[in-house]
Amino acid sequence: GALVYQYPRRTICKSGTSMRMECQAVGFQATSVAWYRQSPQKTFELIALSTVNSAIKYEQNFTQEKFPISHPNLSFSSMTVLNAYLEDRGLYLCGARGTGGGNTLYFGEGSRLIVV
Amino acid sequence: GEQVEQLPSILRVQEGSSASINCSYEDSASNYFPWYKQEPGENPKLIIDIRSNMERKQIQELIVLLDKKAKRFSLHITDTQPGDSAMYFCAASSYTGNYKYVFGAGTRLKVIA
Repeated sequence: GALVYQYPRRTICKSGTSMRMECQAVGFQATSVAWYRQSPQKTFELIALSTVNSAIKYEQNFTQEKFPISHPNLSFSSMTVLNAYLEDRGLYLCGARGTGGGNTLYFGEGSRLIVV
Repeated sequence: GEQVEQLPSILRVQEGSSASINCSYEDSASNYFPWYKQEPGENPKLIIDIRSNMERKQIQELIVLLDKKAKRFSLHITDTQPGDSAMYFCAASSYTGNYKYVFGAGTRLKVIA
């Protein structure tokens, strides 16, 4: 079956430092990877959508300068939160969609960012 | 617009009764509607979904209904159990653009034994 692994599961970082998280698709080819953030007491905000062989599309309020994303192949994506501050804390989810048609997103376990 | 409204935000039901969560969407191009269940500290897990070519879908105690004209869809959990207590999120997506998911704000379901 389709599985998505995210690493690390949880990170505590000092304010102003950066955190990199990784997303690995297993059992399918991830043609699209969507990075979401779930802030405390909030729903899921789409940060950016990355499609292989296309430019990464960032949503309003999120920039490449703050959340650089790499999607080098059909099984791996990474995102970094640069200069993390309190407002960046939350659960970062990677959702991957495969080549099999349909638009089902398979989510990883999430990378929780705690900023102190 | 791309908003998805989800109500109620909090839902308390007695064990064995039914629970209903309602969502509405704005984008008429939306054609895929997944529902996710999220336990505390866990990632959201897909529990049921429905596509625009269907009006009703059932998997065991989960029923989803879709009214395309009204742009509404709903999740019904029959015979609720304490294990159904969790956050539930609806989402809407379309084949246009980049298959972007727009999530509802979530419903916290508490099943009381």
